[in-house]
Amino acid sequence: KAGVTQTPRYLIKTRGQQVTLSCSPISGHRSVSWYQQTPGQGLQFLFEYFSETQRNKGNFPGRFSGRQFSNSRSEMNVSTLELGDSALYLCASRQEGGRAYNEQFFGPGTRLTVL
Amino acid sequence: AQSVTQLGSHVSVSEGALVLLRCNYSSSVPPYLFWYVQYPNQGLQLLLKYTSAATLVKGINGFEAEFKKSETSFHLTKPSAHMSDAAEYFCAVTARNRDDKIIFGKGTRLHILP
Repeated sequence: KAGVTQTPRYLIKTRGQQVTLSCSPISGHRSVSWYQQTPGQGLQFLFEYFSETQRNKGNFPGRFSGRQFSNSRSEMNVSTLELGDSALYLCASRQEGGRAYNEQFFGPGTRLTVL
Repeated sequence: AQSVTQLGSHVSVSEGALVLLRCNYSSSVPPYLFWYVQYPNQGLQLLLKYTSAATLVKGINGFEAEFKKSETSFHLTKPSAHMSDAAEYFCAVTARNRDDKIIFGKGTRLHILP
């Protein structure tokens, strides 16, 4: 099976712009989670989608949003970018049901730089 | 609520020496615990997980971890470090509830000295 894929891998934006990141989960996985990784804060949970519905949400401002499509692919959007949004954004998918259902499989990430 | 504390943001060991990365968790319900590894410019890869079967869990690449409920710990060990073990390691916890999110520690960067 193909792994989790994320596009684009690298992105450079300026303050005030908006950005959309894409994630394709492993085939058959219906849950997709997003994380922000920075050197100072580590991995911080943004949100999780399951069957096109947001199931869990972290403590990020409303500028961060996401959605999931019927094929389980997910996008996250950040509006009005700030310098502090520069980070590696990781997507992870997992199966539902069975003993492995809490194991997450990560994509390689999208490196966002805000200038 | 769950939380994870990883002691030491950087750990250095000599090649061939014991690797010990510390993780303490807090959970109001029985947890699932994980260790992930991240190599440069890559996503996270699962090393091992504790799901309430054996308390000593063996993972990939010779790593293992022991769940100690009395100490609320889940430390990661490897008897003999290899240069290829240099990476960042993350401990994570989640409740045994299919809808719960997974909480990660801040990570420990492991350096291997020749």
